[in-house]
Amino acid sequence: DAGITQSPRHKVTETGTPVTLRCHQTENHRYMYWYRQDPGHGLRLIHYSYGVKDTDKGEVSDGYSVSRSKTEDFLLTLESATSSQTSVYFCAIRARDAHTEAFFGQGTRLTVV
Amino acid sequence: AQSVTQLDSQVPVFEEAPVELRCNYSSSVSVYLFWYVQYPNQGLQLLLKYLSGSTLVKGINGFEAEFNKSQTSFHLRKPSVHISDTAEYFCAVSEFGNEKLTFGTGTRLTIIP
Repeated sequence: DAGITQSPRHKVTETGTPVTLRCHQTENHRYMYWYRQDPGHGLRLIHYSYGVKDTDKGEVSDGYSVSRSKTEDFLLTLESATSSQTSVYFCAIRARDAHTEAFFGQGTRLTVV
Repeated sequence: AQSVTQLDSQVPVFEEAPVELRCNYSSSVSVYLFWYVQYPNQGLQLLLKYLSGSTLVKGINGFEAEFNKSQTSFHLRKPSVHISDTAEYFCAVSEFGNEKLTFGTGTRLTIIP
């Protein structure tokens, strides 16, 4: 299995509070991604990174920010959580670009109450 | 922009019967195509991928898919399904030179004993 660890695995938080999810990899892969998975929507890309300090927005980036200060860590922050951000969040890594396989973490189930 | 359509959200199939899960993509350039599987409460793992060459691609667990450029399709097939194939299946696309991996909404495959 690819070395990807997501933390926490489960979290319940209150509306309006900040939340940070962490993705840690031991594969030294260049690309890292954050997706959210919701019924009927599949996986939607939130943000991705193509190197240290190099990030870009995905299709559902509003309300989320990311940071990548080291190759191995990619953080997703919800500045002020809302109930619409209740979801399962997946981190993925990829060695190179379009033709390579993406490896996924086990997911973080976030509930905003 | 690249996009993926999975026409069937749920597919029930009797055990040992064949199955086809449909996937159509949209892109203005050449693409790479992937099928991923997600077992309950797990992350995603790669079933197979089409990069170039033969349009018939074989993957793990007896699955195969056929790339049809004129139909912009990449349908997944298995000649005889088993209970263990119960899962959600996602089609995904990457355009040449694009770091983004875009997923469809998924097809939930249910095997009927």
